[in-house]
This record gives sequence, structure tokens and C-alpha cells, in this order.
Amino acid sequence: GEDVEQSLFLSVREGDSSVINCTYTDSSSTYLYWYKQEPGAGLQLLTYIFSNMDMKQDQRLTVLLNKKDKHLSLRIADTQTGDSAIYFCAEAYNQGGKLIFGQGTELSVKP
Amino acid sequence: GAVVSQHPSRVICKSGTSVKIECRSLDFQATTMFWYRQFPKQSLMLMATSNEGSKATYEQGVEKDKFLINHASLTLSTLTVTSAHPEDSSFYICSARQVNKNIQYFGAGTRLSVL
Repeated sequence: GEDVEQSLFLSVREGDSSVINCTYTDSSSTYLYWYKQEPGAGLQLLTYIFSNMDMKQDQRLTVLLNKKDKHLSLRIADTQTGDSAIYFCAEAYNQGGKLIFGQGTELSVKP
Repeated sequence: GAVVSQHPSRVICKSGTSVKIECRSLDFQATTMFWYRQFPKQSLMLMATSNEGSKATYEQGVEKDKFLINHASLTLSTLTVTSAHPEDSSFYICSARQVNKNIQYFGAGTRLSVL
């Protein structure tokens, strides 16, 4: 079945770049997403990418998509302490809109 | 834009009571809303898909009589946890999908504690 995998933890120093990786199995996914969740809060949509794109940049965020390897990454430039949160990647499962989430990567930014 | 309001943010109730959670899309119409449950340090588990004007579609293992879903308008879906028990204590999150777009926007979540 469809599956999305992420590493569980990432620790970086303030000012460094963070790269969060994700792999997925459904080659028919049309959209792939990155969401951010702060403690006790809902999910905030950070960015998304269409499956026919290789890269998308939005200010400090860069998303790279390798369809051949079914690999998605989120790069956060100049990481700040306010970026500390859990980051979920998700793929859209068919046109019905159901999302399949990864386990979430906990990003810890140290001053 | 694309704001989803979820209410209440936190509720504490006695075992056996029912609790209603509301999910509203404030500035867009949503023919489809989704209800998730999240356990501590875990990912989101989809409970059901709520379609405006029709019955909700429940995921395997989710009791439809236990978790009643109503999607009466294009901007409002409700989840009622009936006869809540301590094992129903969890973080419940809703999302709304914009009409004609494959983007889901999430509410802030509801922390349910059943004593």
C-alpha cells in the first residue's frame, strides 16, 4: 500500500540550513506537501509541489522532488529557533484528496 | 486566506458524555472535510472523510456510531464523540479541502480529555 517515510529527528544550529527528507511509494501521486506542526497546534501548510515539477522555492524554503527515486526534500535556509517544530510530508492519495502522512520529523534548532 | 477554525480547542468531560467538535472554513467553501486523530508523538490518523450533503466515509476500524459526523453546509462539519470514554482522549484535528483544489487546510485541533 501507499507509504510515506521520514527520519524522526534532525538537530541543527541556528543559521545553518536544514534538510528534511521524505520517501513515498505511490508513483501516481499528483501533489506532495510539507506541513509544520508546533506543540499543541494544528498543521500549517508550508508549501506543496506538483508531481510534474522538480523544484519549488518560496523564500527560505526549497522543495526538491526526484520522481524517479520517489524522494522529496525540504530545505530551510538560515534556520531559526522559531523553525523548531515537527515537519510532515504528505502525498495526495488519488483525486479524492486523502492525504498519506509520514511519521513527522522533529526539527530542533539550537542557538 | 484559507483559514479553518476548529472549536473548542480543549474540552474536559466526564466518561459517558458526548462531545461535539466544530470545523469551519472561514473564507472558502469546502465540499470535503477530513477528521484526524493524533496520539502523542505520532502522525495523523485519518478517521473519516466528510462530504457536504452526504454520509461520511469512515476508515477501517473507526466506529461510525461512536464518531458521528455531520457536514450540513459547505463551510461546516461537526464531529460528535458519543458516550466518550478515557480511551477516546486524544488530539482531534480537522481539515478542509478547497473546492477544485487539492489543498487541505487544517484547524488548530481539539484536545479531548475524558475523565
